[in-house]
Amino acid sequence: DIVLTQAPLSVSVTPGESASISCRSSKSLLSSKGITSLYWYLQKPGKSPQLLIYRMSNLASGVPDRFSGSGSETDFTLKISKVETEDVGVYYCAQFLEYPPTFGAGTKLELK
Amino acid sequence: EVQLVESGGGLVQPGRSLKLSCAASGFTFSDYNMAWVRQAPKKGLEWVATIIYDGSRTYYRDSVKGRFTISRDNAKSTLYLQMDSLRSEDTATYYCATQETGRFAYWGQGTLVTVSS
Repeated sequence: DIVLTQAPLSVSVTPGESASISCRSSKSLLSSKGITSLYWYLQKPGKSPQLLIYRMSNLASGVPDRFSGSGSETDFTLKISKVETEDVGVYYCAQFLEYPPTFGAGTKLELK
Repeated sequence: EVQLVESGGGLVQPGRSLKLSCAASGFTFSDYNMAWVRQAPKKGLEWVATIIYDGSRTYYRDSVKGRFTISRDNAKSTLYLQMDSLRSEDTATYYCATQETGRFAYWGQGTLVTVSS
């Protein structure tokens, strides 16, 4: 199975500042079709996960453009610019290059 | 508006069975692959199973193969997860989700399954 390693496991951010979360894959997530199968999800407290970013850098519908995704074949970053109170929760990276789809352990974002 | 509503969770003894349902609305259910993803208490997300849009293929994580069966009824826009020989490690909130080109775009609110004697 592909292992995704997230860092840090928790981050505390002042509202209005930026935050970055890293995700490293044990295998290249670049497919033969040129698609990088890396996704980002946010699970707000007490809620279901929601899709933020798909295929490494594409913003899901309704997601503010404060969120952005970037990376290479194995190293990925989620950046949140100007963090707001509603951004609190646990962020997960996930891969769907192959079965089984796997998730990182999650990064908890809190406000200072 | 896309809605996914899970039901069927509860407390069950080890070795017993439980069947979860997920009622879908707001989209053409028969066009979408569907998945179950679970989350043990205070833990991360774990994919469980996927069924292709027409039910022709299914995929399972190794730890549930031979015990869980994913199925769907496109006429009723409903997804199912039959869970047999349940173990304590199956205790989790189970989410159903749409699965399209690799992403879980829409999620239900989840249903809690507790396996305990």
